[in-house]
Amino acid sequence: EIVMTQSPATLSVSPGERATLSCRASQSVSSNLAWYQQKPGQAPRLLIYGASTRATGIPARFSGSGYGTEFTLTISSLQSEDFAVYYCQQYNNWPKTFGQGTKVEVK
Amino acid sequence: QVQLQQWGAGLLKPSETLSLTCAVYGGSFSGYYWNWIRQPPGKGLEWIGEINHSGSTNYNSSLKSRVTISVDTSKNQFSLKLSSVTAADTAVYFCARAPYYSDSSGYSYYYMDVWGEGTTVTVSS
Repeated sequence: EIVMTQSPATLSVSPGERATLSCRASQSVSSNLAWYQQKPGQAPRLLIYGASTRATGIPARFSGSGYGTEFTLTISSLQSEDFAVYYCQQYNNWPKTFGQGTKVEVK
Repeated sequence: QVQLQQWGAGLLKPSETLSLTCAVYGGSFSGYYWNWIRQPPGKGLEWIGEINHSGSTNYNSSLKSRVTISVDTSKNQFSLKLSSVTAADTAVYFCARAPYYSDSSGYSYYYMDVWGEGTTVTVSS
């Protein structure tokens, strides 16, 4: 099973600032990685797939990069609605596995 | 726009079987994998398994002995059964659609793009 490790666990950022979230895979997942946003009481929302492709309707301030074992989600200028928990997930191998999440909170 | 609507029993006793169904509205049922994912209270996400319209399945090995995912193409629905539940199975269960893209070798990769709202399942005696 591929283990996904996200860092940091919590990221404190002021509105308007840039946020950089990291995700590391225990073995290569090529570019078969997705990022999700989850708010309390809601289902996860797909942000990025294929490591860098924004899903339909996702604002351009969200961008993904990386390949192999190291991946990054960048939010260029945090808006109030972006404070949430973010998960990375690999779908290169079964079982599909998620990182433990990064909580982006207001500084 | 595709929507997933899910339902099932929310309170179970230990050793009972969890049973959930997810219906797909407003989109094609074929050409996708249909997934189940769960989230224990205050914790992260765990993938349970998936099925396509032909009935081909993939399961998380950690749950494989207790999980059955089935499909009813006549109703555009798919279902999850998890047997012999314990308190550790208490979670919010989500269904999700997985479209795919293919690489240069023709291999397909399925990511989850549309999710159901989730069903809270509690296991308690």
